[in-house]
Amino acid sequence: ETGVTQSPTHLIKTRGQQVTLRCSSQSGHNTVSWYQQALGQGPQFIFQYYREEENGRGNFPPRFSGLQFPNYSSELNVNALELDDSALYLCASSSDGGYNEQFFGPGTRLTVL
Amino acid sequence: GESVGLHLPTLSVQEGDNSIINCAYSNSASDYFIWYKQESGKGPQFIIDIRSNMDKRQGQRVTVLLNKTVKHLSLQIAATQPGDSAVYFCAEKGGGKLIFGQGTELSVKP
Repeated sequence: ETGVTQSPTHLIKTRGQQVTLRCSSQSGHNTVSWYQQALGQGPQFIFQYYREEENGRGNFPPRFSGLQFPNYSSELNVNALELDDSALYLCASSSDGGYNEQFFGPGTRLTVL
Repeated sequence: GESVGLHLPTLSVQEGDNSIINCAYSNSASDYFIWYKQESGKGPQFIIDIRSNMDKRQGQRVTVLLNKTVKHLSLQIAATQPGDSAVYFCAEKGGGKLIFGQGTELSVKP
């Protein structure tokens, strides 16, 4: 186990709704990266938070937003859900802006109907 | 743009045989590569990494080879075991983020 936890495990939403996913980083880590993994694909980088600030963003629209708290846990928020948002959402915990090894949580499976 | 891709989506091997999983990358400036293993219902797990100043790196039962000339890397698993059944991804690390390929599903037959 990596010590990285995510909640909830599974989630079902309908189009247009909003969702918040949570990630608790490994002790001592100050960086959380979020990835979206569609079925049968590799994870795609959404964004990264380092010391409570966004530290890089992938090719995702603004309706994907995030937050990092003083304890370095993080949230991923997705507004106006679309069917294509159905995926496994992974967070990865690391130190020093992601330049050290990234440890992945088990993911949250989001289904949009 | 940047991309990391795999040659084969599935690979089936007999238990005890060696497995070779291949990966191609497009960014010639890439200098750090990682292989991950992802089992069903779990997040990717680090297996082994290699920097661009190396051609080969060995771990326990795994070896990664890097050919910068043709922008190709491979993961070799010796004496493949049923517990090795999973999806394997190569990833390029750039600017603190990981760029993953599509993945190869390894199936080990007893």
